[in-house]
Amino acid sequence: QITLKESGPALVKPTQTLTLTCTLSGLSLRTSGVGVGWIRQPPGKALEWVSLIYWNGDERYSPSLRNRLTITKDTSKNQVVLTMTNMDPVDTATYYCVYSYVSDASFDSWGQGTLVTVSS
Amino acid sequence: QSALTQPASVSGSPGQSVTISCTGTSSDVGRFDLVSWYQQLPGKVPKLIIYEDNKRPSGASLRFSGSKSGNTASLTISGLRAEDEADYYCCSYAGTPWVFGGGTKLTVL
Repeated sequence: QITLKESGPALVKPTQTLTLTCTLSGLSLRTSGVGVGWIRQPPGKALEWVSLIYWNGDERYSPSLRNRLTITKDTSKNQVVLTMTNMDPVDTATYYCVYSYVSDASFDSWGQGTLVTVSS
Repeated sequence: QSALTQPASVSGSPGQSVTISCTGTSSDVGRFDLVSWYQQLPGKVPKLIIYEDNKRPSGASLRFSGSKSGNTASLTISGLRAEDEADYYCCSYAGTPWVFGGGTKLTVL
């Protein structure tokens, strides 16, 4: 069974940098075809795809957020880390870690999500 | 990349069928056979119910079915039940980004 667990701060100040970590179990980042990424959902609003990294190191970013994002993986810890700079109140959202297999491009498994509030 | 267009809300009575549309463009929905659908029950995490336009993942209800014509994908829920009341989101691979629809709230009358 694949499980994903997000961790990170619940509150960040405007202009600060957000760092979120996703820890995987039941799935290895070394396995061919595996992709792990992030989707966010502002309170009461729709889902928005943010970023994804594949087993081979291929990084994908939302065009609208690209200049603020970095996604990395640590295969020894089986973790994926998302960094988002210059946080703004509009970035307040629940951030979900998700698993995707390269061939079907869907998000098969989701973490429980972590609510990040941007406020001074 | 613009979001996919979904109706804000749909409704149906128990036992009926409802269809939710998802309109994109020739750059996303119409280009790739990679539309997926997600069910988000109130206060819960989204759950994959359809992938690759019309395939059901293991464990997904047979009452959910997906289809596509041109730039519009559709999700049909047959034999409506009270527990189907939820938000439904479509999503399409579009090259580098994925694009989601704005979501549709299904009310079971």
